[in-house]
Amino acid sequence: EVQLVESGGGLVQPGGSLRLSCVVSGFTFSNYAMSWVRQAPGKGLECVSDITGSGNNRYYADSVKGRFTISRDNSKNTLYLQMNSLRAEDTAVYYCAKRSGGYLGAIDFWGQGTLVTVSS
Amino acid sequence: EIVLTQSPGTLSLSPGERATLSCRASQSGSSSYLAWYQQKPGQSPRLLIYGASSRATGIPDRFSGSGSGTDFTLTISRLEPEDFAVYYCQQYGTSPQTFGQGTKVEIK
Repeated sequence: EVQLVESGGGLVQPGGSLRLSCVVSGFTFSNYAMSWVRQAPGKGLECVSDITGSGNNRYYADSVKGRFTISRDNSKNTLYLQMNSLRAEDTAVYYCAKRSGGYLGAIDFWGQGTLVTVSS
Repeated sequence: EIVLTQSPGTLSLSPGERATLSCRASQSGSSSYLAWYQQKPGQSPRLLIYGASSRATGIPDRFSGSGSGTDFTLTISRLEPEDFAVYYCQQYGTSPQTFGQGTKVEIK
């Protein structure tokens, strides 16, 4: 059974930092691209970052470029999102998402999400 | 970036009726890289359709996807009570992958 379990969300002040983690099981982690997708309260879905299975290629949305860093540790079956210089508009539920391919692919499995609230 | 526009924003229908949801892309990419997701309140999205027309594992055959080029459609042939939700289209063939703004299917 495929499982993706996020952690690391919480309340942070503007300008602060958080590191999200996603521990996965039930599939060969290194074979698949992964994404972080966020959803602001009452809003739609936005992909903030992707990383290929090998970790060699990464993508960032313009809204987070230079502030967020995606990484993965294939030996620990764990995906990370380091978020720095957080802003109020980064407030959202952040989902860890498995892509169906090593480079591209639809999102075939989603985590339960972790809430990040940026507020003073 | 490819912008996806979904219509209508809200669809009010009764159980048993047919639902037709539209997704239009700002430019033509590969039809192989269009997906549809369902999201219920308080839940994570669920993959319904990938490659524009292929059903994901475990998805009932009342859900079907069609289209090519810039125009795509998700059809729910007969709405069941559990189908009332928000539906998103997504293109995943061109970086950045992008989502439509969603269509809410509500009970009339």
